[in-house]
Amino acid sequence: QVQLQESGPGLVKPSETLSLTCTVSGGSVGSGTYYWNWIRQPPGKGLEWIGYVYSSGSTKYNPSLQSRVTISADTSKDRFSLRLSSVTAADTAVYYCARESWGSGWRGLDVWGRGTTVTVSS
Amino acid sequence: EIVLTQSPATLSLSPGERATLSCRASQSISSYLAWYQQKPGQAPRLLIYDASTRAAVIPARFSGSGSGTDFTLTISSLEPEDFAVYYCQQRSTWPLTFGGGTKVEIK
Repeated sequence: QVQLQESGPGLVKPSETLSLTCTVSGGSVGSGTYYWNWIRQPPGKGLEWIGYVYSSGSTKYNPSLQSRVTISADTSKDRFSLRLSSVTAADTAVYYCARESWGSGWRGLDVWGRGTTVTVSS
Repeated sequence: EIVLTQSPATLSLSPGERATLSCRASQSISSYLAWYQQKPGQAPRLLIYDASTRAAVIPARFSGSGSGTDFTLTISSLEPEDFAVYYCQQRSTWPLTFGGGTKVEIK
């Protein structure tokens, strides 16, 4: 059974870079028809898709964040990472990693990490 | 960007009642719609994908319908564990987007 686990600093200073890692256990980042996503949820609000890295290494980002976001995968360690630069208080949120599956067609975001809270504050 | 509008924002019902949640897309998304359940302090959980296919181990009381721009999630008979927030999500066009959520609360 595939499991995802986010890790990284819980506190980031304004204007600095937020860096998170999602470790995949029970599965492989570099194989299969899977998209590895980052999604965030500000306190008391809804979900916002940040972007994904595909098993081939290609990426896609939300245009609203594209200038500040980098998502990459380390297939040797079965993990993928998020970097968000020039953060402000508006980037304070719970950050989730999630797997999107394409088997015989789209199968949704079927595996999620528990989420990690990141607060942007000096 | 495709906007998903969920209604109502809050649904107050009693256990055993039927819940009907709506999600409307700003343009056609075919059947590229999923529904998720989120409880406080937890990650979202996939319930339905492709508008009407139940994900693994999801009880049969959850059903989805619709295509194009109008979609519905129905919970046939609410169990105590079903009181939560529900989100729809589209995968037709980038960026992927979520609806604002419907909170199903105990009346």
